[in-house]
Amino acid sequence: SAVISQKPSRDICQRGTSLTIQCQVDSQVTMMFWYRQQPGQSLTLIATANQGSEATYESGFVIDKFPISRPNLTFSTLTVSNMSPEDSSIYLCSGTGGVNTEAFFGQGTRLTVV
Amino acid sequence: AQTVTQSQPEMSVQEAETVTLSCTYDTSESNYYLFWYKQPPSRQMILVIRQEAYKQQNATENRFSVNFQKAAKSFSLKISDSQLGDTAMYFCAFTTEPGGADGLTFGKGTHLIIQP
Repeated sequence: SAVISQKPSRDICQRGTSLTIQCQVDSQVTMMFWYRQQPGQSLTLIATANQGSEATYESGFVIDKFPISRPNLTFSTLTVSNMSPEDSSIYLCSGTGGVNTEAFFGQGTRLTVV
Repeated sequence: AQTVTQSQPEMSVQEAETVTLSCTYDTSESNYYLFWYKQPPSRQMILVIRQEAYKQQNATENRFSVNFQKAAKSFSLKISDSQLGDTAMYFCAFTTEPGGADGLTFGKGTHLIIQP
Protein backbone atom coordinates (compact mmCIF):
# COMPACT_ATOMS: atom_id res chain seq x y z
CA SER A 1 0.00 0.00 0.00
CA ALA A 2 0.97 3.66 -0.24
CA VAL A 3 3.04 5.40 2.42
CA ILE A 4 1.97 8.57 4.23
CA SER A 5 4.54 10.91 5.70
CA GLN A 6 2.99 12.94 8.49
CA LYS A 7 4.62 15.83 10.28
CA PRO A 8 5.28 17.03 12.82
CA SER A 9 5.47 13.79 14.78
CA ARG A 10 4.91 15.70 18.01
CA ASP A 11 4.58 19.22 19.27
CA ILE A 12 3.95 21.13 22.46
CA CYS A 13 1.90 24.28 21.90
CA GLN A 14 0.63 27.17 23.94
CA ARG A 15 -3.10 27.51 24.40
CA GLY A 16 -4.71 29.96 22.01
CA THR A 17 -2.28 29.19 19.19
CA SER A 18 -2.81 27.05 16.08
CA LEU A 19 -0.90 24.08 14.67
CA THR A 20 -0.97 22.79 11.11
CA ILE A 21 -0.30 19.11 10.50
CA GLN A 22 0.75 17.93 7.06
CA CYS A 23 0.36 14.59 5.32
CA GLN A 24 2.10 13.69 2.10
CA VAL A 25 1.27 10.44 0.29
CA ASP A 26 3.77 8.82 -2.06
CA SER A 27 1.07 8.12 -4.64
CA GLN A 28 -2.33 9.45 -5.59
CA VAL A 29 -5.15 8.32 -3.35
CA THR A 30 -8.88 8.59 -3.76
CA MET A 31 -9.83 9.50 -0.22
CA MET A 32 -8.03 11.09 2.69
CA PHE A 33 -9.28 11.31 6.25
CA TRP A 34 -8.31 12.90 9.56
CA TYR A 35 -8.81 11.15 12.89
CA ARG A 36 -8.33 12.19 16.50
CA GLN A 37 -7.19 9.74 19.17
CA GLN A 38 -7.58 11.19 22.64
CA PRO A 39 -5.35 9.78 25.39
CA GLY A 40 -6.12 6.12 25.96
CA GLN A 41 -9.07 6.26 23.60
CA SER A 42 -10.04 5.01 20.18
CA LEU A 43 -9.82 6.84 16.87
CA THR A 44 -12.63 9.22 16.01
CA LEU A 45 -13.15 10.46 12.48
CA ILE A 46 -12.89 14.25 12.26
CA ALA A 47 -13.50 14.76 8.57
CA THR A 48 -13.04 13.57 5.04
CA ALA A 49 -10.61 15.75 3.10
CA ASN A 50 -12.05 16.36 -0.35
CA GLN A 51 -9.74 17.29 -3.18
CA GLY A 52 -10.48 20.78 -4.45
CA SER A 53 -13.52 21.38 -2.24
CA GLU A 54 -14.51 21.85 1.38
CA ALA A 55 -13.97 18.95 3.76
CA THR A 56 -16.89 16.91 5.05
CA TYR A 57 -17.00 17.08 8.85
CA GLU A 58 -18.40 14.54 11.28
CA SER A 59 -20.80 15.49 14.01
CA GLY A 60 -19.05 17.42 16.75
CA PHE A 61 -16.31 18.82 14.54
CA VAL A 62 -16.46 22.18 12.77
CA ILE A 63 -14.46 23.87 10.08
CA ASP A 64 -13.58 26.90 12.19
CA LYS A 65 -11.83 24.71 14.72
CA PHE A 66 -10.33 22.14 12.33
CA PRO A 67 -9.82 23.72 8.90
CA ILE A 68 -8.64 21.16 6.35
CA SER A 69 -7.09 21.58 2.95
CA ARG A 70 -6.50 19.07 0.18
CA PRO A 71 -5.09 20.86 -2.85
CA ASN A 72 -4.28 17.67 -4.77
CA LEU A 73 -4.54 13.88 -4.57
CA THR A 74 -1.35 13.40 -2.55
CA PHE A 75 -1.39 16.12 0.11
CA SER A 76 -3.60 17.33 2.94
CA THR A 77 -3.31 19.54 5.99
CA LEU A 78 -5.27 19.76 9.23
CA THR A 79 -5.08 22.87 11.38
CA VAL A 80 -6.05 22.75 15.04
CA SER A 81 -7.10 26.33 15.79
CA ASN A 82 -7.24 28.33 19.00
CA MET A 83 -5.98 25.34 20.94
CA SER A 84 -6.94 24.44 24.49
CA PRO A 85 -5.61 21.63 26.71
CA GLU A 86 -8.64 19.55 25.65
CA ASP A 87 -7.16 19.40 22.15
CA SER A 88 -4.22 17.37 23.44
CA SER A 89 -4.48 14.20 21.39
CA ILE A 90 -2.88 12.17 18.67
CA TYR A 91 -4.01 13.25 15.22
CA LEU A 92 -3.73 10.76 12.37
CA CYS A 93 -4.29 11.10 8.68
CA SER A 94 -5.39 8.18 6.56
CA GLY A 95 -5.77 7.42 2.90
CA THR A 96 -7.44 4.85 0.73
CA GLY A 97 -6.99 4.11 -2.93
CA GLY A 98 -10.59 3.07 -3.58
CA VAL A 99 -12.47 -0.19 -3.98
CA ASN A 100 -10.74 -3.29 -2.64
CA THR A 101 -7.99 -1.30 -1.01
CA GLU A 102 -7.48 -0.87 2.70
CA ALA A 103 -7.02 2.33 4.63
CA PHE A 104 -3.43 3.14 5.55
CA PHE A 105 -2.24 5.66 8.08
CA GLY A 106 0.38 8.23 8.78
CA GLN A 107 2.53 7.90 11.88
CA GLY A 108 0.39 10.33 13.85
CA THR A 109 1.08 13.68 15.49
CA ARG A 110 1.13 13.77 19.26
CA LEU A 111 -0.10 17.22 20.27
CA THR A 112 0.20 18.57 23.79
CA VAL A 113 -1.39 21.91 24.60
CA VAL A 114 -0.13 23.70 27.71
CA ALA B 1 -25.17 4.81 13.03
CA GLN B 2 -22.74 1.98 13.25
CA THR B 3 -21.07 1.11 16.54
CA VAL B 4 -18.15 -1.16 17.34
CA THR B 5 -17.65 -2.62 20.81
CA GLN B 6 -14.51 -4.18 22.22
CA SER B 7 -15.24 -5.40 25.72
CA GLN B 8 -11.71 -6.33 26.76
CA PRO B 9 -9.67 -3.21 27.65
CA GLU B 10 -6.56 -5.28 28.35
CA MET B 11 -5.37 -8.85 27.96
CA SER B 12 -2.14 -10.54 28.92
CA VAL B 13 -0.86 -13.94 27.80
CA GLN B 14 2.40 -15.82 27.79
CA GLU B 15 4.51 -15.98 24.68
CA ALA B 16 3.53 -18.85 22.33
CA GLU B 17 0.01 -19.01 23.72
CA THR B 18 -3.11 -18.43 21.68
CA VAL B 19 -5.26 -15.40 22.45
CA THR B 20 -8.65 -14.28 21.17
CA LEU B 21 -9.77 -10.67 21.10
CA SER B 22 -13.48 -10.01 20.87
CA CYS B 23 -15.39 -7.44 18.84
CA THR B 24 -19.07 -6.92 18.26
CA TYR B 25 -20.70 -4.37 16.02
CA ASP B 26 -24.11 -3.02 15.26
CA THR B 27 -25.36 -2.09 11.81
CA SER B 28 -28.47 -2.32 9.68
CA GLU B 29 -26.44 -2.71 6.50
CA SER B 30 -26.25 -6.08 4.80
CA ASN B 31 -22.85 -5.61 3.26
CA TYR B 32 -19.86 -4.13 5.03
CA TYR B 33 -16.20 -4.62 5.76
CA LEU B 34 -14.47 -5.40 9.03
CA PHE B 35 -10.85 -4.93 9.98
CA TRP B 36 -8.42 -5.49 12.78
CA TYR B 37 -5.68 -2.90 13.12
CA LYS B 38 -2.63 -3.10 15.36
CA GLN B 39 -1.12 0.02 16.94
CA PRO B 40 2.26 -0.57 18.61
CA PRO B 41 3.88 2.12 20.79
CA SER B 42 5.22 3.73 17.60
CA ARG B 43 1.59 4.83 16.95
CA GLN B 44 1.69 3.46 13.41
CA MET B 45 -1.62 1.81 12.57
CA ILE B 46 -0.99 -1.52 10.85
CA LEU B 47 -3.67 -3.55 9.12
CA VAL B 48 -3.74 -7.08 10.51
CA ILE B 49 -6.67 -8.65 8.68
CA ARG B 50 -9.88 -7.78 6.84
CA GLN B 51 -13.18 -9.55 6.28
CA GLU B 52 -15.91 -8.81 3.77
CA ALA B 53 -19.37 -9.48 5.18
CA TYR B 54 -20.54 -11.25 2.03
CA LYS B 55 -17.80 -13.85 2.38
CA GLN B 56 -18.72 -16.76 4.61
CA GLN B 57 -15.16 -18.01 4.86
CA ASN B 58 -13.19 -16.62 7.76
CA ALA B 59 -10.12 -14.62 6.78
CA THR B 60 -6.67 -15.89 7.73
CA GLU B 61 -3.26 -14.21 7.58
CA ASN B 62 -0.47 -16.43 8.86
CA ARG B 63 -0.86 -16.56 12.68
CA PHE B 64 -3.92 -14.31 12.61
CA SER B 65 -7.42 -15.53 11.90
CA VAL B 66 -10.92 -14.28 12.52
CA ASN B 67 -14.14 -15.88 13.65
CA PHE B 68 -16.83 -13.95 11.79
CA GLN B 69 -20.37 -14.64 12.96
CA LYS B 70 -22.61 -12.42 10.84
CA ALA B 71 -25.87 -13.28 12.55
CA ALA B 72 -24.38 -12.55 15.95
CA LYS B 73 -22.54 -9.47 14.61
CA SER B 74 -19.34 -10.78 16.08
CA PHE B 75 -15.81 -10.52 14.67
CA SER B 76 -13.13 -11.94 16.93
CA LEU B 77 -9.41 -12.09 16.23
CA LYS B 78 -7.36 -15.13 17.13
CA ILE B 79 -3.60 -14.85 17.40
CA SER B 80 -1.81 -18.18 17.45
CA ASP B 81 1.72 -18.78 18.72
CA SER B 82 1.82 -15.25 20.12
CA GLN B 83 5.10 -13.37 19.95
CA LEU B 84 6.55 -10.50 21.96
CA GLY B 85 6.17 -8.27 18.91
CA ASP B 86 2.43 -8.78 19.04
CA THR B 87 2.27 -6.52 22.09
CA ALA B 88 0.17 -3.54 20.97
CA MET B 89 -3.25 -1.95 20.99
CA TYR B 90 -5.65 -3.80 18.72
CA PHE B 91 -8.59 -1.99 17.19
CA CYS B 92 -11.59 -3.51 15.49
CA ALA B 93 -12.95 -1.29 12.71
CA PHE B 94 -15.97 -1.17 10.43
CA THR B 95 -16.96 0.48 7.18
CA THR B 96 -19.85 0.11 4.77
CA GLU B 97 -17.98 1.29 1.71
CA PRO B 98 -15.42 -0.79 -0.18
CA GLY B 99 -12.06 0.81 0.26
CA GLY B 100 -13.34 2.62 3.33
CA ALA B 101 -14.67 5.54 1.31
CA ASP B 102 -16.82 6.68 4.24
CA GLY B 103 -14.05 6.42 6.81
CA LEU B 104 -13.73 3.81 9.53
CA THR B 105 -15.60 3.39 12.81
CA PHE B 106 -13.29 2.02 15.50
CA GLY B 107 -13.84 0.20 18.74
CA LYS B 108 -12.15 1.40 21.92
CA GLY B 109 -9.32 -1.06 21.53
CA THR B 110 -7.77 -3.91 23.47
CA HIS B 111 -4.29 -3.56 24.91
CA LEU B 112 -2.63 -6.92 24.35
CA ILE B 113 0.48 -7.71 26.35
CA ILE B 114 2.59 -10.73 25.48
CA GLN B 115 4.67 -11.83 28.47
CA PRO B 116 8.04 -13.55 27.95
